[in-house]
Amino acid sequence: GENVEQHPSTLSVQEGDSAVIKCTYSDSASNYFPWYKQELGKGPQLIIDIRSNVGEKKDQRIAVTLNKTAKHFSLHITETQPEDSAVYFCAASEAGTALIFGKGTTLSVSS
Amino acid sequence: DGGITQSPKYLFRKEGQNVTLSCEQNLNHDAMYWYRQDPGQGLRLIYYSQIVNDFQKGDIAEGYSVSREKKESFPLTVTSAQKNPTAFYLCASTSPNRGWTEAFFGQGTRLTVV
Repeated sequence: GENVEQHPSTLSVQEGDSAVIKCTYSDSASNYFPWYKQELGKGPQLIIDIRSNVGEKKDQRIAVTLNKTAKHFSLHITETQPEDSAVYFCAASEAGTALIFGKGTTLSVSS
Repeated sequence: DGGITQSPKYLFRKEGQNVTLSCEQNLNHDAMYWYRQDPGQGLRLIYYSQIVNDFQKGDIAEGYSVSREKKESFPLTVTSAQKNPTAFYLCASTSPNRGWTEAFFGQGTRLTVV
């Protein structure tokens, strides 16, 4: 089955800096790669996703890149703000199967 | 507003007791999922169901049971056979209309064994 590795487990940046979180997946059949943000005591919320027919996707300060050959995908947050502080999860799935998640990255943005 | 409702938010259980966590959705989604979250472990799949009266085990199904009698509801029972049930439980749903992909999550139930 699918296995998703996520790094780093914790990340501390200064406000205004960029943050990058990386994930690798094992199943070449996976074709959907979402990123979720989870605030303390709440359920995860989808922030951006990418499908395997696209190499990069951007939404304001957030971007995701996908390298299918290397089975890598990454989340990039530019101009970080204190409200970006949260736990971020990557996930992978093949259409019709359940999402398999990485172990999460705790991002702290200090002002 | 459409969404997923999990109840209760906090649940305390004595050792040896079964307990049922509720998950209801009004998104008209066909598929529903249960995940368990432990610190540093991410979200691990317990059970999922893509259609009423059918469900499949996930990676950590032992000690749990589910039912799917209605499209809107997917309750999870944590049985006394689950050796370490204290965790944060999350329910999610997806729709085939969106390729079974974009998952919406509830706000979670924190279960504590006392």
